[in-house]
Amino acid sequence: AQKVTQAQTEISVVEKEDVTLDCVYETRDTTYYLFWYKQPPSGELVFLIRRNSFDEQNEISGRYSWNFQKSTSSFNFTITASQVVDSAVYFCALSERSGNTGKLIFGQGTTLQVKP
Amino acid sequence: NAGVTQTPKFQVLKTGQSMTLQCAQDMNHEYMSWYRQDPGMGLRLIHYSVGAGITDQGEVPNGYNVSRSTTEDFPLRLLSAAPSQTSVYFCASSTLSGTVMNTEAFFGQGTRLTVV
Repeated sequence: AQKVTQAQTEISVVEKEDVTLDCVYETRDTTYYLFWYKQPPSGELVFLIRRNSFDEQNEISGRYSWNFQKSTSSFNFTITASQVVDSAVYFCALSERSGNTGKLIFGQGTTLQVKP
Repeated sequence: NAGVTQTPKFQVLKTGQSMTLQCAQDMNHEYMSWYRQDPGMGLRLIHYSVGAGITDQGEVPNGYNVSRSTTEDFPLRLLSAAPSQTSVYFCASSTLSGTVMNTEAFFGQGTRLTVV
């Protein structure tokens, strides 16, 4: 069965610390996509990254980096030198070929609090 | 660019009342969907549509109806509101590759609904 698990419910760090948000997924499909979204206190959902199942290259975008490992079914997200503006709820999500068409399966979310 | 426009942003209903949440997108996306967000549960799919005239149920469809008369619009109807429908609702649109969401989903701003 398809599932996304974000085991960390809440994380609190002090500004400038590095922090990693974990995401573990389950799927039987060979074709799937993984996403990360950010939900700041204002409530909207902001797209951060998409990764398809055939591309295991890690990605870096500024202070953000993502580590995709199919061997462990993980797609972890690291923020380097965290800032107060990074405080938000972060969701990992999976879209796979089988099941409800186009369905995004979300993890429970990780609330990140960055203290000054 | 408007993207996905969702109205209203806030709504309070009495038990038994009905209402329609509006959703419109201007990106010519074939796929539109409705999610509800509840604490600790991530986002769950209510209904989705792969094109005008085509709708289907998601994970939590009970108590909700949808229709898709145009590519742009995808309203969500609450038939007889119940306190269990108190939630934050998000409309989303995206493209599909076959049955899998292969690009980011664009989300509306969300509707915070309270049923008393």
